[in-house]
Amino acid sequence: EAQVTQNPRYLITVTGKKLTVTCSQNMNHEYMSWYRQDPGLGLRQIYYSMNVEVTDKGDVPEGYKVSRKEKRNFPLILESPSPNQTSLYFCASSPLPGFSGVYNEQFFGPGTRLTVL
Amino acid sequence: GENVEQHPSTLSVQEGDSAVIKCTYSDSASNYFPWYKQELGKGPQLIIDIRSNVGEKKDQRIAVTLNKTAKHFSLHITETQPEDSAVYFCAASIPYTGTASKLTFGTGTRLQVTL
Repeated sequence: EAQVTQNPRYLITVTGKKLTVTCSQNMNHEYMSWYRQDPGLGLRQIYYSMNVEVTDKGDVPEGYKVSRKEKRNFPLILESPSPNQTSLYFCASSPLPGFSGVYNEQFFGPGTRLTVL
Repeated sequence: GENVEQHPSTLSVQEGDSAVIKCTYSDSASNYFPWYKQELGKGPQLIIDIRSNVGEKKDQRIAVTLNKTAKHFSLHITETQPEDSAVYFCAASIPYTGTASKLTFGTGTRLQVTL
């Protein structure tokens, strides 16, 4: 089954304790992205990656790191989590745009609800 | 950068009625406008999209219209059913250039279909 998986689905942690949220897709997609969802703010992009070893900042990258060592995996790293990073996080993937430059459908994972105390 | 505004934030309709969600965007270079549906406890899922060279697209009970001059696009759901209850997000994307990538989402509309 084609899917994007995220782990863990739920996480409660304390300020300053490093954590990693994993994301994996089995669709051979080049493009992967992380979003956070907060009430009244919708989905905001944290980081994205066009391919292996190619990553770039989205709208809200502060406090986050990513890496793309393999095509299928795109982990999100919080080196020193703070309470303002309490949120619902989504990983997404899609094929790269074609020659028309128009984006393709993004496939989202089930989400990770993170609480930082 | 692109800014997408979405209204209303909540919408309640009776089963069988129509629902309309509206979005506006700021960057005239945007050329792709998808709509995603997010059911409780799940990730968003694409339900329909429209490209800038098309004014309207329909798929069974859902349709999207695009007015490039006014920079707004809308989602129309007819004959609503309880399973349409969800959060809906609009989004806009500038063309991919190989050096930058951007899909900007609206703030979401919580649609509730009552019996």
